[in-house]
Amino acid sequence: QSVLTQPPSVSAAPGQKVTISCSGSSSNIGNNYVSWYQLLPGTAPKLLIYDNSRRPSGIPDRFSGSKSGTSATLGITGLQTGDEADYYCGTWDSSLSAVVFGGGTKLTVL
Amino acid sequence: EVQLVESGGGLVQPGGSLRLSCAASGFTFTSYWMSWVRQAPGKGLQWVANIKQDGSEKYYVDSVKGRFTISRDNAKNSLYLQMNSLRAEDTAVYYCARGIAARDYQPYYFDYWGQGTLVTVSS
Repeated sequence: QSVLTQPPSVSAAPGQKVTISCSGSSSNIGNNYVSWYQLLPGTAPKLLIYDNSRRPSGIPDRFSGSKSGTSATLGITGLQTGDEADYYCGTWDSSLSAVVFGGGTKLTVL
Repeated sequence: EVQLVESGGGLVQPGGSLRLSCAASGFTFTSYWMSWVRQAPGKGLQWVANIKQDGSEKYYVDSVKGRFTISRDNAKNSLYLQMNSLRAEDTAVYYCARGIAARDYQPYYFDYWGQGTLVTVSS
């Protein structure tokens, strides 16, 4: 059971927009920065978003992040088949003194 | 280009030991916290251990305390994870990751990851 809650799956058509939610509590998301990661089979996980909404260099602006209260959201616009992957949110948990992750969301681009 | 390459995974019997290695290149290794994160089959990511730049501080998830030891050799730009008393629930892909921390705190996110090495604990 993950500390952060994500929907198991989301789907959308190519070119469309999708959002992935990540819900936590005051001990984690509510008082700490959120990051998002993309996991493609057989490849190294990739950091997409850090500090709630900042993109590392090389990450296209199709990917965006936001946070409100104890929830965070990853948005992906202009969906491409190459975006099919598992997406994870992560943050520091002040009670556990550890980075915690969501259970992951599988994105299907129909 | 930042590269992290893990090795050392494999099949081990319950109660056995394994040592994972991670070779780092493309950045100043001594400037960063380093971490191990794992993903069990069909499960989500789980942080396992952190080590400070000079090795003076180490932190572990409760489930591996007393069994796993994280270490680093800054002269070799390498990170290690010694895993003893392995259990079936330790079966996972283990990722080496570069941690980003604020001031004197532990990392709160990971900006580069390796491709992972699979550890299977089974008789």
